[in-house]
Amino acid sequence: NAGVTQTPKFQVLKTGQSMTLQCAQDMNHNSMYWYRQDPGMGLRLIYYSASEGTTDKGEVPNGYNVSRLNKREFSLRLESAAPSQTSVYFCASSERTALNNEQFFGPGTRLTVL
Amino acid sequence: AQSVTQPDIHITVSEGASLELRCNYSYGATPYLFWYVQSPGQGLQLLLKYFSGDTLVQGIKGFEAEFKRSQSSFNLRKPSVHWSDAAEYFCAAAPRAGNMLTFGGGTRLMVKP
Repeated sequence: NAGVTQTPKFQVLKTGQSMTLQCAQDMNHNSMYWYRQDPGMGLRLIYYSASEGTTDKGEVPNGYNVSRLNKREFSLRLESAAPSQTSVYFCASSERTALNNEQFFGPGTRLTVL
Repeated sequence: AQSVTQPDIHITVSEGASLELRCNYSYGATPYLFWYVQSPGQGLQLLLKYFSGDTLVQGIKGFEAEFKRSQSSFNLRKPSVHWSDAAEYFCAAAPRAGNMLTFGGGTRLMVKP
């Protein structure tokens, strides 16, 4: 059981370049999430997918797109990277029941945009 | 607006000393509450959670947290800190009718030998 996996672990981009961050979970969870973590600001939700086939904006969606490829995989795309998107990105998943909001996190992707 | 506040950005304690990390939330109704720990270079790991019932919650690694409705707080405690507890700690909350976590800004714990 790998839990939540993310690729790549590190990435450096130039301003304007595009890239896709990959996330997969093997816990058969319905919901998946993308967060960014910036110093002193905790984790902020970018996008989430409550179930396969649905995606919704979180707190900071501008500059990002997502795809829920199937139940296991949820990718985050930066179409034209900007220095303000330098951050650590975490993917998470949860069962999404009324009584269980526990989220399981991947190890993160550290992205630098020059 | 729903929010979670961790008033202390940094805390330093001596090894063996007791620890309390503060967390306050602002929600219309009592949310689900969580504490996560993030070791350097790692993802977040759940320490404990509160849904209902007993207001003193036991977690992993010897941590506990107490829910106080009157103070809108969910403070994390440990009686005796170990050097391996040095990490960043995040309090989080989720509304009972939804599924989105809101995180506090985090508290970085340093442990002096």
